[in-house]
Amino acid sequence: SQQGEEDPQALSIQEGENATMNCSYKTSINNLQWYRQNSGRGLVHLILIRSNEREKHSGRLRVTLDTSKKSSSLLITASRAADTASYFCATSRPQAGTALIFGKGTTLSVSS
Amino acid sequence: DAGVIQSPRHEVTEMGQEVTLRCKPISGHNSLFWYRQTMMRGLELLIYFNNNVPIDDSGMPEDRFSAKMPNASFSTLKIQPSEPRDSAVYFCASSPTSTGGTGELFFGEGSRLTVL
Repeated sequence: SQQGEEDPQALSIQEGENATMNCSYKTSINNLQWYRQNSGRGLVHLILIRSNEREKHSGRLRVTLDTSKKSSSLLITASRAADTASYFCATSRPQAGTALIFGKGTTLSVSS
Repeated sequence: DAGVIQSPRHEVTEMGQEVTLRCKPISGHNSLFWYRQTMMRGLELLIYFNNNVPIDDSGMPEDRFSAKMPNASFSTLKIQPSEPRDSAVYFCASSPTSTGGTGELFFGEGSRLTVL
């Protein structure tokens, strides 16, 4: 069953613009992770934010987490054509022995 | 360093045939995961192993699916008999943490299965 739901499902922007993707989830979490998937390839880990963190940065990526609203956002600043991909949030639950549950993803298209 | 290696990358088979997908995790990783990706259902967890032991197989669709991890460097996912609804991309991922889902996953490139 899906734990995370990304919004929007698809996003089209111009190079240089910022892209914001949102993720909502249902149960308590240990951490939340974002992954990128280029067409026809495997998923690549981008960033992990723990449940006691509110914001995290990595290069042009900024992730926020609001556990009271059970939501997270991924901001990509100054987007490039190479950022075109699908982006997934994944949640890790506190219970031992549970694996990451992925949302259905946001497809980002950046045109030059 | 080599990443997670999956084979075959593409498989086309006919309904009723047996399919075996293979995965070599990153050396030293002690958790291994099989996920299935379809347009309709997204990325679904099928099974995960920790130290070669299956921890959660609740995502395995039915008895036609089976997974094994005979040693730390190899895992198989078998479908017998295959059906058209099994068509999907199957991903293997590994993780260096011993508590399954708390750490970063490293994905292979996937095995695209088409069952005619």
